[in-house]
Amino acid sequence: QVRLVESGGGVFQPGRSLRLSCAASGFTFSNFGMHWVRQAPGKGLEWVGVIWYDGTNRYYGDSVQGRSTVSRDNSNNTLYLHLNSLSAEDTAVYYCARDRMIFGVVGNMDVWGQGTTVIVSS
Amino acid sequence: EIVLTQSPATLSLSPGERVTLSCRASQSVDSYLAWYQQKPGQAPRLLIYDASNRATGVPARFSGSGSGTDFTLTISSLEPEDFAVYFCQQRISWPPYTFGQGTKLDIK
Repeated sequence: QVRLVESGGGVFQPGRSLRLSCAASGFTFSNFGMHWVRQAPGKGLEWVGVIWYDGTNRYYGDSVQGRSTVSRDNSNNTLYLHLNSLSAEDTAVYYCARDRMIFGVVGNMDVWGQGTTVIVSS
Repeated sequence: EIVLTQSPATLSLSPGERVTLSCRASQSVDSYLAWYQQKPGQAPRLLIYDASNRATGVPARFSGSGSGTDFTLTISSLEPEDFAVYFCQQRISWPPYTFGQGTKLDIK
């Protein structure tokens, strides 16, 4: 079945960097744009970034712009999020999610992973 | 950035009741509004996209309507599994894609 599994979460010190991974299975990963969305404890959803199905375009939310990189390895069906200069405001559950549209990005997320928890604390 | 405001913040209802949730945009999003459901400890689930289109596998009791700045999600008859938090999301003006703050549906 269609599945996304995030990993790489944990406790990180302020100022450090993280790399999250998202392993995809059950669908042709290279045909779909992919998003990262995060949710701070007890809060709503915040869109983090998107990468086109072929990696040609990437866009980011304001709060991570300039210190994040979304990348993908289509040969290994894996999505990544690098986030630098961590602060307490980055504490959240991070979800990877598939875009609804094949060979394009329309900005709706129709398949979600279970999330990985990131805590930024000294 | 388009701000989405959902109301009410919390609703307490009983199974079998009909419920309408509201989402208002700070500027027109045409029909490019989606609804997601999130249960405790779970990832969100896409319910409705482009205002009124049900996503794959979503029961017919869920329906969406609206355009421009005012949208509603209606559940015609609440099932026990429908008690959750519901978020709206716009995709017309990005980056960033933005979400509403959510409406929590509680069992009365």
